Amino acid sequence: DQQVKQNSPSLSVQEGRISILNCDYTNSMFDYFLWYKKYPAEGPTFLISISSIKDKNEDGRFTVFLNKSAKHLSLHIVPSQPGDSAVYFCAASKGSQGNLIFGKGTKLSVKP
Amino acid sequence: EAGVAQSPRYKIIEKRQSVAFWCNPISGHATLYWYQQILGQGPKLLIQFQNNGVVDDSQLPKDRFSAERLKGVDSTLKIQPAKLEDSAVYLCASSYSSGANVLTFGAGSRLTVL
Repeated sequence: DQQVKQNSPSLSVQEGRISILNCDYTNSMFDYFLWYKKYPAEGPTFLISISSIKDKNEDGRFTVFLNKSAKHLSLHIVPSQPGDSAVYFCAASKGSQGNLIFGKGTKLSVKP
Repeated sequence: EAGVAQSPRYKIIEKRQSVAFWCNPISGHATLYWYQQILGQGPKLLIQFQNNGVVDDSQLPKDRFSAERLKGVDSTLKIQPAKLEDSAVYLCASSYSSGANVLTFGAGSRLTVL
């Protein structure tokens, strides 16, 4: 039973354009959401997070949007850069606990 | 600050053999996690420690997996005997407290079981 779903295994975007990565969740008890980025042969690194009391959080080129009614969140990267090419994982948790439930990831390729 | 250290980075064993992975978390991080990431999947929590006590081991296959965190710092994860389906990357992560969602991950230990 996948509680966090990333339905696009891969995404290819031109440098300078917007990248939009999507994530859906099924458990309405989740109230904290995070995005992690993973390069090959490295561990995931924290990118950005959002709590359920907000619908948007922005950090530089990265913005996460949360639609609680649709149980959907998205990560926007503007403008996309070749160095953004990585696997992006969406994760969710109930409350401020470390037990994160991860999606399967979306591989982003940003082409020069 | 130094990151989360893990060793070995790669290990190849035959099924029914045993293997152990070691993790040294970020200094001062009270909470330590072991995750299993199978190819094509997201990381899945195996066990969570708060200092040297177990907080959550509900998804740890206890018939073959064991983990300990002596003295509340380093941790070891052991698999004995290994099965083919244990082939995965074993990720160690740490956080300042169990109330912090932002985990810092190590580079992982890739296990191949033949």
